[in-house]
Amino acid sequence: TQLLEQSPQFLSIQEGENLTVYCNSSSVFSSLQWYRQEPGEGPVLLVTVVTGGEVKKLKRLTFQFGDARKDSSLHITAAQPGDTGLYLCAGGDTGNQFYFGTGTSLTVIP
Amino acid sequence: DTAVSQTPKYLVTQMGNDKSIKCEQNLGHDTMYWYKQDSKKFLKIMFSYNNKELIINETVPNRFSPKSPDKAHLNLHINSLELGDSAVYFCASSQVIGGSSYNEQFFGPGTRLTVL
Repeated sequence: TQLLEQSPQFLSIQEGENLTVYCNSSSVFSSLQWYRQEPGEGPVLLVTVVTGGEVKKLKRLTFQFGDARKDSSLHITAAQPGDTGLYLCAGGDTGNQFYFGTGTSLTVIP
Repeated sequence: DTAVSQTPKYLVTQMGNDKSIKCEQNLGHDTMYWYKQDSKKFLKIMFSYNNKELIINETVPNRFSPKSPDKAHLNLHINSLELGDSAVYFCASSQVIGGSSYNEQFFGPGTRLTVL
């Protein structure tokens, strides 16, 4: 099993602040996905990155895949209460198996 | 229409019982998964089925057995339930294209299993 460590584990910020979540591993992945999970629901895909160094933007969210394809980051600009949730990274291998990260629970206070 | 559905939503049972969780997807996907999410929110893959063939089987106890009557269903049967089996179980599906590892997985709403 390949381990992906996310940091921080918990994050509580005020509305309008910026934040970055990190996803780190010692393993190389062919792809990296970010999901958001809300209470009582399953995770929902936000983005997939596949190329080392790749940067993708989704409105106020910016995702980056590390050059060596071992790590990734998620940056949120001007956080809003609707961003509250559990953020999960998931590394994909060549066998279409995904390993999920340890999770980051984000709370944005109005 | 619900893409991936699971039943039941909640399951409370006694130690030693046998129970099943059902999963259905109407997306036409060819791969389905079962995940276990523990109390610390860690999501771990248990099984994966592609065209009715088990292609991933993580080191889960053999008390857990996936059963796929057809491509749209992947049920999870658990024998002799133990306290440590208490968790939220998620079903997911995806369409594998050319062996790609970056296909979106669609998750069901989860089944919260509590073993007393």
